Amino acid sequence: AQSVTQLGSHVSVSEGALVLLRCNYSSSVPPYLFWYVQYPNQGLQLLLKYTSAATLVKGINGFEAEFKKSETSFHLTKPSAHMSDAAEYFCAVSGEAGTALIFGKGTTLSVSS
Amino acid sequence: GAGVSQSPSNKVTEKGKDVELRCDPISGHTALYWYRQSLGQGLEFLIYFQGNSAPDKSGLPSDRFSAERTGGSVSTLTIQRTQQEDSAVYLCASSPELAEGQETQYFGPGTRLLVL
Repeated sequence: AQSVTQLGSHVSVSEGALVLLRCNYSSSVPPYLFWYVQYPNQGLQLLLKYTSAATLVKGINGFEAEFKKSETSFHLTKPSAHMSDAAEYFCAVSGEAGTALIFGKGTTLSVSS
Repeated sequence: GAGVSQSPSNKVTEKGKDVELRCDPISGHTALYWYRQSLGQGLEFLIYFQGNSAPDKSGLPSDRFSAERTGGSVSTLTIQRTQQEDSAVYLCASSPELAEGQETQYFGPGTRLLVL
């Protein structure tokens, strides 16, 4: 069975500060990992995904994530937060052929000026 | 190009009524998923369709929920005898093919359902 845990339902940072959103996964098969972002009243947009090609994955809007098998983690980072980054972020896992994504509970990111 | 579209964007209904939610996937995408997003439950998988294969219904919460996909394109999610706990945002997603879970799922804006 697969699962995702996002540590911290709410993260607050100042504009220009480092963003770190934590995600740990559990999977009995090699996982494929995703980060999605959801802006208010919108659907989910893919930020980045890990599919075993490289452990450090770069995504849109300056975000990146590093796959660490030993820690079963896939934390999302951005060096400098912008006000426009305020949104809800979801980590998700898939791996078994023919399965849908398993999502974490989400982390709401707030950015203050 | 056009993304995944869903209709209606909002639906208010009375307890006990049936509702139909529609999803138009991206043209050419063979896989289609329905998810439910509700407070306290997060994002839950409901059902997915892949080509002409039998759908995976393992996420449907009760037999009041059903879905079909006609002609490999448009999908309709039907909830019969709605209950207040069905209130949620229903999200549809599609992907170009299923390659051991690697393919990106593209999400629609969702239908916000409120059952009074």
